[in-house]
Amino acid sequence: AQTVTQSQPEMSVQEAETVTLSCTYDTSENNYYLFWYKQPPSRQMILVIRQEAYKQQNATENRFSVNFQKAAKSFSLKISDSQLGDTAMYFCAFMIMEYGNKLVFGAGTILRVKS
Amino acid sequence: DTGVSQNPRHKITKRGQNVTFRCDPISEHNRLYWYRQTLGQGPEFLTYFQNEAQLEKSRLLSDRFSAERPKGSFSTLEIQRTEQGDSAMYLCASSPGQGSTDTQYFGPGTRLTVL
Repeated sequence: AQTVTQSQPEMSVQEAETVTLSCTYDTSENNYYLFWYKQPPSRQMILVIRQEAYKQQNATENRFSVNFQKAAKSFSLKISDSQLGDTAMYFCAFMIMEYGNKLVFGAGTILRVKS
Repeated sequence: DTGVSQNPRHKITKRGQNVTFRCDPISEHNRLYWYRQTLGQGPEFLTYFQNEAQLEKSRLLSDRFSAERPKGSFSTLEIQRTEQGDSAMYLCASSPGQGSTDTQYFGPGTRLTVL
């Protein structure tokens, strides 16, 4: 079975500080991609960052970076210099290329950035 | 704005009624996906299209659900004889359908409430 586990239902962080959101997944496939999506309150889901499983180098997008540990099947998201606009639900997801590219999502982590 | 659009944004219906949702993907995106998101959970895959062909349906998609994508452009998702358990956010996503990382872009969703 393909599953994604986000063990932190809620997190909070002070503005300008750093926070890390956890994600583990389970698959027996080797060719897959990992994603973090952000869903702000009452707004649509947008892509934050993506990682190809065959790449050892961790992906980075401005203040967002990942720690990808393939052997441990772990894919955490680090947000540096947190901003109020980062307040949202964050979903970890993976996609297996041979399975129609459908996304398998975790249950999400609510992140609240406090001023 | 050339993103994914969905209509209506909200739908309230009585149990037993039929409802239809529409999704307009990003222009020239070959793949179109439908997901269902219940409160506090991540989206779950329902079905997807490659152009006009429906290539996969989840077991979540009971016989009361039908989706179409005529001419490979917009898509409709119909639910017949709605039940209270159908209450959820229905998300549409589209992707180019080519390239090494086929990133999905999501619409704002249609929130269905079945009374």
